[in-house]
Amino acid sequence: DIVLTQSPDSLAVSLGERATINCKSSQSVFYSSNNKNSLAWYQQKPGQPPKLLIYWASTRESGVPDRFSGSGSGTDFTLTINSLQAEDVAIYFCQQHYGALTFGGGTKVEIK
Amino acid sequence: QVQLQESGPGLVKPSQTLSLTCTVSGGPISSGNYYWSWVRQPAGKGLEWIGRMSNSGSTQYNPSLKSRATVSVDTSKNQFSLKLTSVTAADTAVYYCARPREGTDWCFDLWGRGTLVTVSS
Repeated sequence: DIVLTQSPDSLAVSLGERATINCKSSQSVFYSSNNKNSLAWYQQKPGQPPKLLIYWASTRESGVPDRFSGSGSGTDFTLTINSLQAEDVAIYFCQQHYGALTFGGGTKVEIK
Repeated sequence: QVQLQESGPGLVKPSQTLSLTCTVSGGPISSGNYYWSWVRQPAGKGLEWIGRMSNSGSTQYNPSLKSRATVSVDTSKNQFSLKLTSVTAADTAVYYCARPREGTDWCFDLWGRGTLVTVSS
């Protein structure tokens, strides 16, 4: 199975500043058949199910604020939250689909 | 608007079988070509995909569960289900049912609220 390693485990960012979360895959999740990376990002708040933010590594889900962006290809991916808002405090997970579906361990984002 | 709702026992004894149902409301489960999935999350930990079944009957499972999991779809009841055999305390978690985003079969834009299952004698 592909292992997704997220870093850091947690980070504290001032309101209005940028948060950067990394996700490294143990092998490439790039599909040459459609020229896309099968990598998604989710946000989870306490007591709630995860919410899909980004899929195909960089496509923002409908209704997700444009301060959230995804980038990367192959084995290295990044979720960036520009101008962090109080409502962005949550745990963020990456997920891949190249064979069995797997999730990263999560990154907790807090306000500094 | 389609919604998912998990149901089932909140307490299961070790070595027994965990059985959960996800009721799909707001539309027929047979509509579209979806893979209906189960995902779990132990308290304070990450997410683990358990398995999925498509409307056409195709199934896939997480190899780490060593064939203990079975996902099935009942179109007559508009439900899909999970059975997990030989449970231990390590299977204690919040269990979510989920449906992938249209146009993909792997990332989830629709989730149930989750149901806590505790494995204990």
